[in-house]
Parts: sequence; C-alpha cells; structure tokens
Amino acid sequence: GAGVSQSPRYKVAKRGQDVALRCDPISGHVSLFWYQQALGQGPEFLTYFQNEAQLDKSGLPSDRFFAERPEGSVSTLKIQRTQQEDSAVYLCASSFGPVETYEQYFGPGTRLTVT
Amino acid sequence: GNSVTQMEGPVTLSEEAFLTINCTYTATGYPSLFWYVQYPGEGLQLLLKATKADDKGSNKGFEATYRKETTSFHLEKGSVQVSDSAVYFCALSNQAGTALIFGKGTTLSVSS
Repeated sequence: GAGVSQSPRYKVAKRGQDVALRCDPISGHVSLFWYQQALGQGPEFLTYFQNEAQLDKSGLPSDRFFAERPEGSVSTLKIQRTQQEDSAVYLCASSFGPVETYEQYFGPGTRLTVT
Repeated sequence: GNSVTQMEGPVTLSEEAFLTINCTYTATGYPSLFWYVQYPGEGLQLLLKATKADDKGSNKGFEATYRKETTSFHLEKGSVQVSDSAVYFCALSNQAGTALIFGKGTTLSVSS
C-alpha cells in the first residue's frame, strides 16, 4: 500500500519568499506530525494534528510557520518570509494514534534550501 | 522536558563485529523508547521499541533493553552486516505523548 508522501521533494526558495509543503498521510491515519531535520541532526518536532485539530504546535519556531489539516487528511506546512536558517529537511509522519502505542510512518521529506 | 543523548559517530566496523550504540535519556514519567533507522536514500523507519522498564525490543537481530535505573536504551547487535550501514536514531515520547524526541543520530558504516 501507499506510504506517506510529501511534495515537493526539493524546494529552493529565495530569502523572503513564502513556501508551502504538502503531506499526504497513510489513509485512515488519525495522527499527523511535522518534524524539521537540520543537516547532521535528529528530527525536531514542530506540530501535531489529531484529525483536523492541531493539538500541539509547541515546536513551531516562529509565527512565520503555520500548519493546517482542514479535512483531517492532507496537511500543509507553510513558511512565510523564509530565512536561511529555515533550510532543512521537513518530515511528515502519520499514525493511527498516540506515539506510545502506534508506530509513526515517515515520509521521504522535503528538502528546503533558502538562498 | 524529555531529552535523549546518543553517542556520536561515525561508527566504523567490519562485517560480523559486535555493535553497541549508546543512548541515555532524561524524562519525567515513563516514556516509551524507540530506535529508528534511516538507510541511505530512504525515510526513517522504526527499528524497535520498548514501552516500560525492563522491556526488551528486538528486530532484525538488533536488541535494546529499557533500563530505568541507568536511564539507558543502548542498541546492540551481535554480528553486523554491510546492509546495516545506516544512520540510527534513539528517540523517546514527549511528556504529552504527542510526539517523538530524537537524538542527533549515529552513522554506522560496515565494511566487508
């Protein structure tokens, strides 16, 4: 079956541009997560959805970052006025439920380069 | 908050050598512990997990035991293969149970 897909796989943006990154979770997965992975580092949590509700956005680094999942399926992570420090791989993951109980399945990531 | 520290790499081994990758954690409460693996060109995959103290997670010949007394979850394999070359991440659940907290990753390179 299809796994988590993300698009685009690569994105180059000029500093100051807005970008939108898409995540298609596994069908039926209630929980959806966004992580940011800088070069040589582990993924860092950004935000978590249960269905369409954004239950935790404590990891979003600034108010330039915004995520939505309006119908409880596809999610979009938007970054406004991109800065060079936003350059990273953005990972999406989905699962049937809480992290303690259900495996998170990760997508291939979107590599964002801000020039 | 919860955090995890894992040994820095790279770790370079010959085929059939014994592998240990150290991981220690700081946590409030009783988090679940995980090892994820990222093979070259692929996405993160769950390798194994343990949900309570003294649990042993195992998969593909890898093992890790949840040690509450030493706050550790070291990854071991008795005989590594070239195909085990990858980046390994130790992780634990956050206090709210809403996300994973990852270590920085350890690169393993196995040569024949």
